Amino acid sequence: DSGVTQTPKHLITATGQRVTLRCSPRSGDLSVYWYQQSLDQGLQFLIQYYNGEERAKGNILERFSAQQFPDLHSELNLSSLELGDSALYFCASSVGGTGPYNEQFFGPGTRLTVL
Amino acid sequence: DQQVKQNSPSLSVQEGRISILNCDYTNSMFDYFLWYKKYPAEGPTFLISISSIKDKNEDGRFTVFLNKSAKHLSLHIVPSQPGDSAVYFCAAKGTQGGSEKLVFGKGTKLTVNP
Repeated sequence: DSGVTQTPKHLITATGQRVTLRCSPRSGDLSVYWYQQSLDQGLQFLIQYYNGEERAKGNILERFSAQQFPDLHSELNLSSLELGDSALYFCASSVGGTGPYNEQFFGPGTRLTVL
Repeated sequence: DQQVKQNSPSLSVQEGRISILNCDYTNSMFDYFLWYKKYPAEGPTFLISISSIKDKNEDGRFTVFLNKSAKHLSLHIVPSQPGDSAVYFCAAKGTQGGSEKLVFGKGTKLTVNP
């Protein structure tokens, strides 16, 4: 158990809909990262928040947005869903925001299925 | 543009033998490399890492080798155990444009047969 929690574990929805994925970081961690893992892709970095502020952006679509709240939990919002958005979405957390030794701890993921 | 490549999607070895997982990268900005292990229905867990100033890092049965000139790293598991069966992701970290990036490969599924 990494200490990072994600809800829900599974989500099934239809195209065009909007969903919210939630992540609670490890106690004491200030950074939250979101990743997408599609069937034939490695982990694709989406976005990072550090202490409530956006720190880094990766391959995140404009239809997707995220935020980190004062209690440090984070939400990833996915809207106008398409079939290709079906994937595993992982959240990770770390103590700091940058640095080579800033180890990330991953949650169990949310499996999103868009029908 | 796949900056971190794991060209073998799968690898099968016998228990007790050596497992060698390979990873290639293309971007010279990467200065820190990590291996993550992932079991089904779980998130990836950190396994071992290496800084670009080193060429080898060892932790028990796991050793990571880095060849900077070839932009290649490998993970050796000796001896391999059935519990090592998992998907292994190589990741590379670097700073570009003032922003830190962590890029993952697509993973190699390791099966260790008893």
